[in-house]
Amino acid sequence: EAGVAQSPRYKIIEKRQSVAFWCNPISGHATLYWYQQILGQGPKLLIQFQNNGVVDDSQLPKDRFSAERLKGVDSTLKIQPAKLEDSAVYLCASSLERTVYTGELFFGEGSRLTVL
Amino acid sequence: RKEVEQDPGPFNVPEGATVAFNCTYSNSASQSFFWYRQDCRKEPKLLMSVYSSGNEDGRFTAQLNRASQYISLLIRDSKLSDSATYLCVVNKTPGGSYIPTFGRGTSLIVHP
Repeated sequence: EAGVAQSPRYKIIEKRQSVAFWCNPISGHATLYWYQQILGQGPKLLIQFQNNGVVDDSQLPKDRFSAERLKGVDSTLKIQPAKLEDSAVYLCASSLERTVYTGELFFGEGSRLTVL
Repeated sequence: RKEVEQDPGPFNVPEGATVAFNCTYSNSASQSFFWYRQDCRKEPKLLMSVYSSGNEDGRFTAQLNRASQYISLLIRDSKLSDSATYLCVVNKTPGGSYIPTFGRGTSLIVHP
């Protein structure tokens, strides 16, 4: 079974530029998550989709970050304009949500962003 | 107070040692709990779920204390390959769905 696919793996941009990350979850997984992981910290949830609806985006900096999941399958996370503090790994995860007790998250390898 | 708190460590132990990590959470309505493992520059992967009665998987034992709002992970007979960061995950459950919240992780280094 194919895992969660993310691209690009690495991206270097200058501040104030824009960047987009793409994620294709495991087939059949209804729930998709975008996490931001800064070096030395745990993953921080940016946005969670259930099919193509947003479950939670309370920690998404909406003045610069946007995400969409059209057709309830793959998703794109965009940052515009980027700031130095956005340097992080952006992890996409998906889960086959059955119950609250069994929703294992399957992560992609992540997209590592460096903002100069 | 952070929603999920962990001691970042590092915990530096010799092979064969027993080591324990704790994680505290602030939302008493949280319903489910997990430990994930993250190797250096890799993505997190599920290690084990944490059940109310406690559960064991080989050398790993997880416990939940709802009254004190903490979960623990015990690793017996540590191996070099156990060196990694261990992430505590707590599911908030507003409105019927669940939102996985991660702690910052505890770093474990097992040396020969």
